[in-house]
Amino acid sequence: DAGITQSPRHKVTETGTPVTLRCHQTENHRYMYWYRQDPGHGLRLIHYSYGVKDTDKGEVSDGYSVSRSKTEDFLLTLESATSSQTSVYFCATFEEATSYEQYFGPGTRLTVT
Amino acid sequence: QKEVEQNSGPLSVPEGAIASLNCTYSDRGSQSFFWYRQYSGKSPELIMSIYSNGDKEDGRFTAQLNKASQYVSLLIRDSQPSDSATYLCAVNDAYSGAGSYQLTFGKGTKLSVIP
Repeated sequence: DAGITQSPRHKVTETGTPVTLRCHQTENHRYMYWYRQDPGHGLRLIHYSYGVKDTDKGEVSDGYSVSRSKTEDFLLTLESATSSQTSVYFCATFEEATSYEQYFGPGTRLTVT
Repeated sequence: QKEVEQNSGPLSVPEGAIASLNCTYSDRGSQSFFWYRQYSGKSPELIMSIYSNGDKEDGRFTAQLNKASQYVSLLIRDSQPSDSATYLCAVNDAYSGAGSYQLTFGKGTKLSVIP
């Protein structure tokens, strides 16, 4: 358990509004990831970070942006939420120096109406 | 496009039996392999990691890796109703120098252990 928290845990928002999800970790892990999980698609990588201010796109990055200004925080922003972004969002962290294992946060259930 | 394939199930086994979960992957360069357990409404929980060919045992769980066949499996001995969950197979290429340490997940196999 990498001491990962996510906030909010649940959110309902309207189409077109901006939304920011936060991931916070206490383990000083270098790598952080945002995934979404949808029925029939499994877990898909949205964006990841390999250090402060270092981020890159994953498989399904369109419509999402990220920021990492501190080691412990990784923010996922939906600039203008759409119904197709209704999903469960998971954050994960990983430290290459100790293992190749990723550990997940509790998730955020986002509903866009 | 890297692919990880799993039988979606549901796989039903009686309590006390061995549950066998299978996974194949497309990227021959893959080096690290993981099994996650996910209960309904919860986040994935890492239960096994394996990096070299052969078997790795941890309690009732055994992971098996065959890189030549691009195949990884998870055996659960003495299955319990509490093992009922979706099991996700994940693969990455950490050792190949790609640097991004990304995981590719299968869609998961739903296991149901019948009392």
